[in-house]
Amino acid sequence: GAVVSQHPSWVICKSGTSVKIECRSLDFQATTMFWYRQFPKQSLMLMATSNEGSKATYEQGVEKDKFLINHASLTLSTLTVTSAHPEDSSFYICRAAAGTDTQYFGPGTRLTVL
Amino acid sequence: AQRVTQPEKLLSVFKGAPVELKCNYSYSGSPELFWYVQYSRQRLQLLLRHISRESIKGFTADLNKGETSFHLKKPFAQEEDSAMYYCALLHAGGTSYGKLTFGQGTILTVHP
Repeated sequence: GAVVSQHPSWVICKSGTSVKIECRSLDFQATTMFWYRQFPKQSLMLMATSNEGSKATYEQGVEKDKFLINHASLTLSTLTVTSAHPEDSSFYICRAAAGTDTQYFGPGTRLTVL
Repeated sequence: AQRVTQPEKLLSVFKGAPVELKCNYSYSGSPELFWYVQYSRQRLQLLLRHISRESIKGFTADLNKGETSFHLKKPFAQEEDSAMYYCALLHAGGTSYGKLTFGQGTILTVHP
């Protein structure tokens, strides 16, 4: 099956710094990337949807200036958590999709903000 | 509004016992439903997609439009089935096209 990678797999940063998370589709062209946030033993909450070459669409309650999403190519999307704070600590997961028949999740990135 | 409900947060069974993980949904259109599994420290994996009507790892799920349910079943649970299971609904049209709405998840523990 298709593979989606995320980098880094885990990151620890100081409060106030910015962190960039990459999501790559390795063997297919992802026209749409979805970014989710998952707290321990809880469900995935959709943060935003991005289509290649377009601005991301954010879900209600998600600050677009804090969670910057870029989807500049069909194989790469990035999520930047700006001025991170401890409450941003979470597991961030991307889902790469090419239509509804091709969709795969990345392994996730665990962010810990001290 | 589109919603997916998994009423059981935790489910424990013994090895060899039947298991059923419940999922109910509300959706205005024709639903496309999935079950995903997340083993400890691993990524989400697709387990079942209702339109494919496959049986994966002994699990089956039938879409019941009358009861708006998509329960996941396995006749004989195995210890390696212990994981978090998510029911999800795919938005097939409109402004939410391609989005997945997840249920709250059910942690299945299969005891030896």
